[in-house]
Amino acid sequence: NAGVTQTPKFQVLKTGQSMTLQCAQDMNHNSMYWYRQDPGMGLRLIYYSASEGTTDKGEVPNGYNVSRLNKREFSLRLESAAPSQTSVYFCASSEGPRTGYEKLFFGSGTQLSVL
Amino acid sequence: LAKTTQPISMDSYEGQEVNITCSHNNIATNDYITWYQQFPSQGPRFIIQGYKTKVTNEVASLFIPADRKSSTLSLPRVSLSDTAVYYCLVGATSGSARQLTFGSGTQLTVLP
Repeated sequence: NAGVTQTPKFQVLKTGQSMTLQCAQDMNHNSMYWYRQDPGMGLRLIYYSASEGTTDKGEVPNGYNVSRLNKREFSLRLESAAPSQTSVYFCASSEGPRTGYEKLFFGSGTQLSVL
Repeated sequence: LAKTTQPISMDSYEGQEVNITCSHNNIATNDYITWYQQFPSQGPRFIIQGYKTKVTNEVASLFIPADRKSSTLSLPRVSLSDTAVYYCLVGATSGSARQLTFGSGTQLTVLP
């Protein structure tokens, strides 16, 4: 049982390049999330998808787009990468949406460097 | 969204009990309190969750006072492998959508 799988694990981009981070979960979860984590800081929510077919902005959505391709997959796209987007990106999923109760399952992360 | 405040760091010695307190003054009636653990180069991992009073599992205990404006994660007899960042998370709901906000976390260092 793989849980939440992210690809790639590492990526180096030049400023202005584009790329898509892939995330897939095999737990039949409804909700999926993208977070970024900068050195020495907590996780900040970029986008989330409460259920298949819906996406919403989180705390730091600027410079990113997302696609909930199907129930299993939720991708994050950087259209024109900037050095400020150098970070570790985590995908997560949860059973959701359920009132008052939530348990997140995280992938192992993608370390992205933008030069 | 309910914001949380935790100590930035804590040190402890092997075998001691560690208590990490989180403040969440504007917690909503339907919110649960969840704690996650994160090791370097890994995603956070669920530890424990509660709504009020006390919850205990094989890893930790969670104490929540009646006013629910704070919570305390208790780790009994810590070992070196418990060195990690611990996040307090308060769930926020908005209709059918969900937004969950992590705080800055507490870096726990267990010393030999």
